[in-house]
Amino acid sequence: SQQGEEDPQALSIQEGENATMNCSYKTSINNLQWYRQNSGRGLVHLILIRSNEREKHSGRLRVTLDTSKKSSSLLITASRAADTASYFCATDGGGNNRLAFGKGNQVVVIP
Amino acid sequence: GAGVSQSPSNKVTEKGKDVELRCDPISGHTALYWYRQSLGQGLEFLIYFQGNSAPDKSGLPSDRFSAERTGGSVSTLTIQRTQQEDSAVYLCASSARDRGTEKLFFGSGTQLSVL
Repeated sequence: SQQGEEDPQALSIQEGENATMNCSYKTSINNLQWYRQNSGRGLVHLILIRSNEREKHSGRLRVTLDTSKKSSSLLITASRAADTASYFCATDGGGNNRLAFGKGNQVVVIP
Repeated sequence: GAGVSQSPSNKVTEKGKDVELRCDPISGHTALYWYRQSLGQGLEFLIYFQGNSAPDKSGLPSDRFSAERTGGSVSTLTIQRTQQEDSAVYLCASSARDRGTEKLFFGSGTQLSVL
């Protein structure tokens, strides 16, 4: 079963606004990652946050992790039309050998 | 190569035929994954290879699906007697384990259409 589950599923915003999406998971993790997917093809790694970290920044991206609530959020600031994509969280942990991906958030940034 | 390469990029086949999908991981990456993604859905784990260890096949949906990785590099995912429900994008990813964490590098996928 999928560990990650993003919420909301679809988000439409104006260019320049901030976009926030959430991810919850069920088991203990070693780390949590966010990926972006354009046009339904290959995913691109955005950022990784370890279980002992609470917040991480990378350019216009800000990720938070709350292990007590088993949740993470991804914030994209000052969104651009090029940010239009699907965003997936993925967790590494739970005693198996693979990353478990959530169902994804579709983000549409309107120019 | 510079990235993960998958071939073919698109495959159309008739129901009942066998198909082979190929993945060339990044050179030196010891871990290789296959995922499947149906239209508008998340990624479904299929199989995982790590070095010389026995692969984790727990995600393969039926015995029609198999995969191998030769020489620790190129991998082939084979689907026998394809069914319409096998239509999806098949994604391959590789990683170099770094301090116990994994950042995956994905190929562009193979779009499989079973008519």
